[in-house]
Amino acid sequence: KAGVTQTPRYLIKTRGQQVTLSCSPISGHRSVSWYQQTPGQGLQFLFEYFSETQRNKGNFPGRFSGRQFSNSRSEMNVSTLELGDSALYLCASSLGGQTKNIQYFGAGTRLSVL
Amino acid sequence: DQQVKQNSPSLSVQEGRISILNCDYTNSMFDYFLWYKKYPAEGPTFLISISSIKDKNEDGRFTVFLNKSAKHLSLHIVPSQPGDSAVYFCAASRRSNRDDKIIFGKGTRLHILP
Repeated sequence: KAGVTQTPRYLIKTRGQQVTLSCSPISGHRSVSWYQQTPGQGLQFLFEYFSETQRNKGNFPGRFSGRQFSNSRSEMNVSTLELGDSALYLCASSLGGQTKNIQYFGAGTRLSVL
Repeated sequence: DQQVKQNSPSLSVQEGRISILNCDYTNSMFDYFLWYKKYPAEGPTFLISISSIKDKNEDGRFTVFLNKSAKHLSLHIVPSQPGDSAVYFCAASRRSNRDDKIIFGKGTRLHILP
């Protein structure tokens, strides 16, 4: 069974640009959650999608948005990039939701904003 | 407000000895706790979990202890092996609420010394 796939693995952008990250969950998983990992801050929750609906949202500005498609694949978009957005962005999928089932993480997309 | 705290950013343990990683939480409504392990350039992987109705859960070399009155949990690794060198994240949630979210700590980097 294929794991969670995140593309691209690495991205370099400049301030003010926008970026879209992609996540393909494990087949059959309907929940996709996104996290930001920065040094010293651990995993900070961005949002969770379940069956194409945003179920929960973390404390991030509106520049961070996401969506989920009918095949459960998810995308995350960050507009007007700032230097502080440089981080590892992780996607995790689970069967019924992050509080109900174990989450399986992808390897992440490392975003560098110059 | 940090609801899940891992107060030790790093820990070094001799190979073969016991590794003890600690985690404190503030929200008494949390009823499910997890530990994830993360290697560089990989996503976190689930290690072990414990429900609030238990005070101990064991899986091979890994044991998690939960002290609800102290709002404290710990992960014991016995014996420690070189492959255990990684970052360990503690996480907590209210499993009874599917719309709730998992809260992660900032992680503890474990170094197993030869």
